[in-house]
Amino acid sequence: KAGVTQTPRYLIKTRGQQVTLSCSPISGHRSVSWYQQTPGQGLQFLFEYFSETQRNKGNFPGRFSGRQFSNSRSEMNVSTLELGDSALYLCASSLSPAFSYEQYFGPGTRLTVT
Amino acid sequence: AQKITQTQPGMFVQEKEAVTLDCTYDTSDPSYGLFWYKQPSSGEMIFLIYQGSYDQQNATEGRYSLNFQKARKSANLVISASQLGDSAMYFCAMREGANQGGKLIFGQGTELSVKP
Repeated sequence: KAGVTQTPRYLIKTRGQQVTLSCSPISGHRSVSWYQQTPGQGLQFLFEYFSETQRNKGNFPGRFSGRQFSNSRSEMNVSTLELGDSALYLCASSLSPAFSYEQYFGPGTRLTVT
Repeated sequence: AQKITQTQPGMFVQEKEAVTLDCTYDTSDPSYGLFWYKQPSSGEMIFLIYQGSYDQQNATEGRYSLNFQKARKSANLVISASQLGDSAMYFCAMREGANQGGKLIFGQGTELSVKP
């Protein structure tokens, strides 16, 4: 069974631009979560989708948004990029959002904002 | 307040020896799950082991075991017979209750170095 895939793997953008990252979950998984990882703040939860509905959102500004499609694939968008948005963005999928289900992570998208 | 605390920023272990990575957590939710992930330098987070708050026995997965002490709110990861490939960052994480959905709360991580 294929794992979680994320595209693109690397991205370089300029301040003020916007970016869209894509995540395809493991087949059959309907819950997709996004995380931001930086050296200073560590791993922080962005948002989670289940059956095309956002169920949970982390403490990030409105510039960060996401959506999930009927095939469970998910995208996240960051508008008006800032230097501080440079990070590794990780997507994780799970069979269910319930606490007892493991989340499996993709390889991440490394975003650099210049 | 910090919900997941990993007090060891870095650790060294000799190859073939066992090592314990510490994790304490804080929650008032009776239903929660505790997870350990490994992150090599490539960046991908690899799921290692899971322990549920209602599980009576400690979880084990191959060379990984979780020393779950509920009263102390402790969920230490034990790696037996360390291998060079175990060198990586290790993160402890928690999910609280069914209503919290998929949100994982992570600790700051422990960098493990295995020496030959």
